[in-house]
Amino acid sequence: AQSVTQLGSHVSVSEGALVLLRCNYSSSVPPYLFWYVQYPNQGLQLLLKYTSAATLVKGINGFEAEFKKSETSFHLTKPSAHMSDAAEYFCAVRFSGGYNKLIFGAGTRLAVHP
Amino acid sequence: AAGVIQSPRHLIKEKRETATLKCYPIPRHDTVYWYQQGPGQDPQFLISFYEKMQSDKGSIPDRFSAQQFSDYHSELNMSSLELGDSALYFCASSLERGNRDTEAFFGQGTRLTVV
Repeated sequence: AQSVTQLGSHVSVSEGALVLLRCNYSSSVPPYLFWYVQYPNQGLQLLLKYTSAATLVKGINGFEAEFKKSETSFHLTKPSAHMSDAAEYFCAVRFSGGYNKLIFGAGTRLAVHP
Repeated sequence: AAGVIQSPRHLIKEKRETATLKCYPIPRHDTVYWYQQGPGQDPQFLISFYEKMQSDKGSIPDRFSAQQFSDYHSELNMSSLELGDSALYFCASSLERGNRDTEAFFGQGTRLTVV
């Protein structure tokens, strides 16, 4: 079965500091992996996705993630946090074939302080 | 670009009432998904439709039903509402046919409050 684990339900960083949000997956088949961001009272916006092409994936708003098969990880990073990055971040996995049902992690709430 | 449209954005219902949520997918998308996100929770998959046929089913209560119509819009019908049904309900759409690296696009959600 496929699953996603996000380590740390809350992460707090200073403005300008490195952002690192952790995601580990479990999948018996090659996974497709996604990071979504959710601002308060908003929908889910796709940040980036891994679909078995390049292992380093660049997304919107300066975020990137690296797929590491040996570590079954897909951590999200951003070199310099901005106040506007404060939001809930969800890692998600879906089957590499078939329909697009997403399995989400529990989410990580990112706080950015001055 | 056109996005996934959900209506209404907010809905307040009393216990034991019925609610209908609507979703209009991105034009030419053939698949619709429904997710439920409880307070402080991650989104949970409820049900999906591909070309108007149910394609997958998740943790959807028997009190809920859904369908996809000929114009590809979908409706989630919820009966005998309970307080625990209060949540943000997301619809997402994607183009699956002939598209290996597809992605799902989410609507803004419908916030249902049961009182």
